Parts: sequence; structure tokens; C-alpha cells
Amino acid sequence: GAVVSQHPSRVICKSGTSVKIECRSLDFQATTMFWYRQFPKQSLMLMATSNEGSKATYEQGVEKDKFLINHASLTLSTLTVTSAHPEDSSFYICSARVVEKLFFGSGTQLSVL
Amino acid sequence: QKEVEQDPGPLSVPEGAIVSLNCTYSNSAFQYFMWYRQYSRKGPELLMYTYSSGNKEDGRFTAQVDKSSKYISLFIRDSQPSDSATYLCAMSLNTGNQFYFGTGTSLTVIP
Repeated sequence: GAVVSQHPSRVICKSGTSVKIECRSLDFQATTMFWYRQFPKQSLMLMATSNEGSKATYEQGVEKDKFLINHASLTLSTLTVTSAHPEDSSFYICSARVVEKLFFGSGTQLSVL
Repeated sequence: QKEVEQDPGPLSVPEGAIVSLNCTYSNSAFQYFMWYRQYSRKGPELLMYTYSSGNKEDGRFTAQVDKSSKYISLFIRDSQPSDSATYLCAMSLNTGNQFYFGTGTSLTVIP
């Protein structure tokens, strides 16, 4: 299957700082990538869909200015959590669509102190 | 009504047992059906992919889709402790970018 690489796997930061998470498609070009958030023992919650070269589409209730998504190339999408606060602590996962299948990165555990 | 319903479990079975995991859905237009395995603090891993109705087998795993009943299943034969994980079902339409996920079933295989 297709390989999606996500970094970092874990980040701890102070409240008020910004954190960038990278998602790369290693062996294919991804015109569309998705960003999910997952709370413990809960399912995936779609945050936004990013399309290469255009603005991301955010789901209802997701703050565009807090969760900045950039999909500048066919192999890289980034999620920046700006001015992070403890309530932003969560597990963030990116994914990319290949034909009709969805492949996921390994996830990033964000802890905001 | 949710688009996809999945019993969250938890499900606990002895090693070697046959495991049956299921999802039901409401949208008859779904065409693509997937099962993912997710270990704790890891991203979901695609296990099985099926288009439309029918069965698909891969090693110890068998995926079944019954579109008439809007019901999909994943069977795990000879379950191993390494199968202990959360299993998510997912499905999508013929067009568009939306994927619909179940809430996941937590499985523990006891040695």
C-alpha cells in the first residue's frame, strides 16, 4: 500500500506556542490529503480536507485561524496549530487518498502544557 | 441516525478464536468498504478493501459485504495476541472525497 509519513510522532509544547505537523506521501502524489483529530477511545473526527495548490476546506466548528493547513506540493501537507492551548491536546492524524483507498500517517500526539 | 454504526465493544477472546466484527450503514449508495486496524497511539492501517458486495480473503482475514442488508463484516481466524487493537470500518461513495467511519471496536486477544 501507499506510504504516508507523518512527523513528529509526539510533541510537547507550552501554551501559546505554535506547532507544525508534517504529512508526506512517500511513493505517490497526493492531490488531496485529510487531517483528523482523535480523542482517547473515540473515532476519527475529520478536521479539514487539503487540496494541493488551493485553500483547505474545513469542517464545521473547526477554527481556520487556529489550525492552518498548507498543501504546497503534491507530496507535502502541513498542519500548524497556532497559539496552542491545553484543550488542543489531542492525537492528530493525516491521510491521503489513493484512488478509492485512504492511507494514514502514524499520527502525532500533541500535549500542550 | 449515524451513517455508520459499529459496536464499540470491548471484545475479549482467547487466542485461536474466530473473531467477527460488524458494521451497519444507512446509505445504500456506499460502494467502497474498508477495514482498518489501529494500535494504540498509531495511525489506522488499511487491512481489507472491498468494492460493492461479496467476500474478500487475505490470509487470516475475510471481509464480507452484504449490500442488501447494509451490513459488513470482518472475520479473523486463528486470532493472535498481536491482533489486539481497535478495528474501524469505513466506507465511501462512488464520487467525492468523503469517507465515513465507524466508532471502532476494541479487540483483545488473550494468550
